[in-house]
Amino acid sequence: DAGVIQSPRHEVTEMGQEVTLRCKPISGHNSLFWYRQTMMRGLELLIYFNNNVPIDDSGMPEDRFSAKMPNASFSTLKIQPSEPRDSAVYFCASTTSQGKQYFGPGTRLTVT
Amino acid sequence: EDKVVQSPLSLVVHEGDTVTLNCSYEVTNFRSLLWYKQEKKAPTFLFMLTSSGIEKKSGRLSSILDKKELSSILNITATQTGDSAIYLCAVEQGGSEKLVFGKGTKLTVNP
Repeated sequence: DAGVIQSPRHEVTEMGQEVTLRCKPISGHNSLFWYRQTMMRGLELLIYFNNNVPIDDSGMPEDRFSAKMPNASFSTLKIQPSEPRDSAVYFCASTTSQGKQYFGPGTRLTVT
Repeated sequence: EDKVVQSPLSLVVHEGDTVTLNCSYEVTNFRSLLWYKQEKKAPTFLFMLTSSGIEKKSGRLSSILDKKELSSILNITATQTGDSAIYLCAVEQGGSEKLVFGKGTKLTVNP
C-alpha cells in the first residue's frame, strides 16, 4: 500500500495568495483528518471527514480555511488568503476505525 | 477543555540509558491512548492502550496505562541513537474519532 499521499511536499508562497493542499487517503479508509503542526502549538486537528462528510471542523482557525472531500480518495485544504502565521506543517491522516491513524508525509507551508 | 500533557518536554541521554516518558490526560469519555514516534517526517504509530495495567511491548519499547491516575508511561530501554525523535501521546474520546495530542517529548540519544 502506498500509504497516505500528500502534495505538494513543500510550498512557499507570498502573503495573500491562495494555497491548496491535497491528500489521498489509504484505499478503504473511511475517515480522513487534517492536522497542523507548529512548534508553539504542537499537532492540532483542523477538521475530519467520515465517509466524505465533514464531521467536526471546530479546529479550523477562521474563514480563510476551507476543506473539501469530493470523493473517498481525495481531499483538499485551502487557505485563501494566506498569511505568514499560517506557516506550519500540514498533515493528512486516515483510518478505518477509531484510534490508529496513519499519517501522510506532510506539506511544509511557508508564507512570506 | 480536553487536554493531554507530556513530560518532560525534552530529554537528552546517552546510548544505553533507559528513559521513561510521561503522559497525563483530562478528557471526557476516554476511549484509548496512543503513542506515536515522529522523526523528521510523519508520526508513526507505536502503541494503542485501552485497558489499565496491561503492558504493551515492542522490542525495547513498552507502555502501560493507568486509568485511575489518568496517565501513561512509555519506557525505552538500552536507548540507541535511532530512538532520537519526538514522542507524541494522543487520547481518543468515545463517540468521536478525534485524537487530542500532547505537545510531545523530544528525545535526543547521544552516542
